[in-house]
Amino acid sequence: DAKTTQPPSMDCAEGRAANLPCNHSTISGNEYVYWYRQIHSQGPQYIIHGLKNNETNEMASLIITEDRKSSTLILPHATLRDTAVYYCPHVADQFYFGTGTSLTVIP
Amino acid sequence: NAGVTQTPKFQVLKTGQSMTLQCAQDMNHEYMSWYRQDPGMGLRLIHYSVGAGITDQGEVPNGYNVSRSTTEDFPLRLLSAAPSQTSVYFCASSSGTRETQYFGPGTRLLVL
Repeated sequence: DAKTTQPPSMDCAEGRAANLPCNHSTISGNEYVYWYRQIHSQGPQYIIHGLKNNETNEMASLIITEDRKSSTLILPHATLRDTAVYYCPHVADQFYFGTGTSLTVIP
Repeated sequence: NAGVTQTPKFQVLKTGQSMTLQCAQDMNHEYMSWYRQDPGMGLRLIHYSVGAGITDQGEVPNGYNVSRSTTEDFPLRLLSAAPSQTSVYFCASSSGTRETQYFGPGTRLLVL
């Protein structure tokens, strides 16, 4: 059972913001929202995480809705190197990864 | 710090052969886990460990054994390889079950 849902694929023009959505329909009050990405079959790479508040780091920004049922990962100025599969795993007793969103940054 | 390391990077086995996939971390993490990744299936948890001497099963444990004798190492054993175990295997570690997980580079296994 997919406990988070993401679109299977998205495109983004180079230099534009990439906004990747995730629905967390079964998230509980103390479960964090995490985002990872995987570039060309390398090991998944941690991007960012948050609980209730929006977060920003050197890689991305994370927007979490007030009811915490959805989040958006924002890559402010997408580059070709951001082409990857992006995951928002369901984090309960373990990390449950779905199939993610395949982001293609187009020159 | 090397982070999470995995060996070998690639392996070809014949059906019925055994092998051990190695995983080590130098971050003093208590929690370690093994995932497999198949096309269209995402990452699926095989086994995990919350500390030395403690292991438990994940979503897809059949055909795999693990042990955790030290904090640093968490090997994954295939006792009798089957073609269905052809996959990419990732090891991860973190300071806790819900904490940020750090992944190794993966081992690509082909069972003929």
